[in-house]
Amino acid sequence: GAGVSQTPSNKVTEKGKYVELRCDPISGHTALYWYRQSLGQGPEFLIYFQGTGAADDSGLPNDRFFAVRPEGSVSTLKIQRTERGDSAVYLCASSSDRRDVLTFGAGSRLTVL
Amino acid sequence: GENVEQHPSTLSVQEGDSAVIKCTYSDSASNYFPWYKQELGKGPQLIIDIRSNVGEKKDQRIAVTLNKTAKHFSLHITETQPEDSAVYFCAASIGGFNKFYFGSGTKLNVKP
Repeated sequence: GAGVSQTPSNKVTEKGKYVELRCDPISGHTALYWYRQSLGQGPEFLIYFQGTGAADDSGLPNDRFFAVRPEGSVSTLKIQRTERGDSAVYLCASSSDRRDVLTFGAGSRLTVL
Repeated sequence: GENVEQHPSTLSVQEGDSAVIKCTYSDSASNYFPWYKQELGKGPQLIIDIRSNVGEKKDQRIAVTLNKTAKHFSLHITETQPEDSAVYFCAASIGGFNKFYFGSGTKLNVKP
């Protein structure tokens, strides 16, 4: 596609629920990143995929967070037992390799009530 | 890990004036420093970047300077225009990889 596409753009859920956020990267981009942006803050790194594998997941805050990229294209960020502190904008980005220019999507805004 | 500090948090300038945003970083191994512009409801967009083997880089009205010794880098926007109004983020990475440590952002307001 022309850019990085993220769905849903907005998600409101209740505390304790399970959430999935989807990222469709630019076609042909092998590197995919998830960042989290809390209100008034800069994005924080969560996880990096090279192809299908998670090459660096050091930013995932705890084991409630998990991400997959089974075919090396679309990625899904999964959050179990959501907490109010998980409320943020989740940004996905992709690049042709891990040093090339990073292109961000518009993000998925998650609100946990 | 790396810590990036950015200031000011807000900056208001008159159209046509210059704007300067400053960042410091803590890890001397950082060697790639991009700047991103984020408009409301959109993802960050790269506007300029600099690598540690270069002291300054310019692209039309935008320039970035890097002082490796002092571990700080700055964004300079000249002849500001209302469409420059946005939140600007600096970032640093080690090895030039796209695992960035971002500053907390500067909200730039350019008054017509």
